Amino acid sequence: ETGVTQTPRHLVMGMTNKKSLKCEQHLGHNAMYWYKQSAKKPLELMFVYSLEERVENNSVPSRFSPECPNSSHLFLHLHTLQPEDSALYLCASSLREPGTGANVLTFGAGSRLTVL
Amino acid sequence: GQNIDQPTEMTATEGAIVQINCTYQTSGFNGLFWYQQHAGEAPTFLSYNVLDGLEEKGRFSSFLSRSKGYSYLLLKELQMKDSASYLCAPSDSNYQLIWGAGTKLIIKP
Repeated sequence: ETGVTQTPRHLVMGMTNKKSLKCEQHLGHNAMYWYKQSAKKPLELMFVYSLEERVENNSVPSRFSPECPNSSHLFLHLHTLQPEDSALYLCASSLREPGTGANVLTFGAGSRLTVL
Repeated sequence: GQNIDQPTEMTATEGAIVQINCTYQTSGFNGLFWYQQHAGEAPTFLSYNVLDGLEEKGRFSSFLSRSKGYSYLLLKELQMKDSASYLCAPSDSNYQLIWGAGTKLIIKP
């Protein structure tokens, strides 16, 4: 167990479905992240919740919607996805201290999403 | 623009030494991370370099040259369990990690 728990581990959904991915951390971290990992491509940062602000990658489609109700929980709401959204979605958390670069991420095992 | 370049795949023999190179161009720099990712698992932190030079941690060492935009990860006494992908990720001026596509390392007996 890495300290960051993601559910579900596997998800198959149709293009008209609505589903959510959940992430939970009990490491006392103050930042949480959603990443998309596709085969043979770099990790793509989707959203960051850090020090009570949200940062997003402007290239992420609006069919992905994050929610961070508190510092321990993070959701990614999915609706009307496309087959090209099939990928591994990784959640991560870290303890961010302003002005320092040593921001070590702890990743969850990921949610493998298949869109039919 | 920002760019990370590392080999796609490398093969090495059990017990040997392998060096995985990474070159980078980023907007600002706040250190460089290496992560290991076994197939089907989460990436895990290996090392962080912010100053030039070599950082040794057991069988793994990481080197950084900021002037050259270059880093390498050195793995000694290779074991079968070292078969994994190794991800290079410098941190830019906003402390965001810029990820390479990873180097898949295959260890043969």
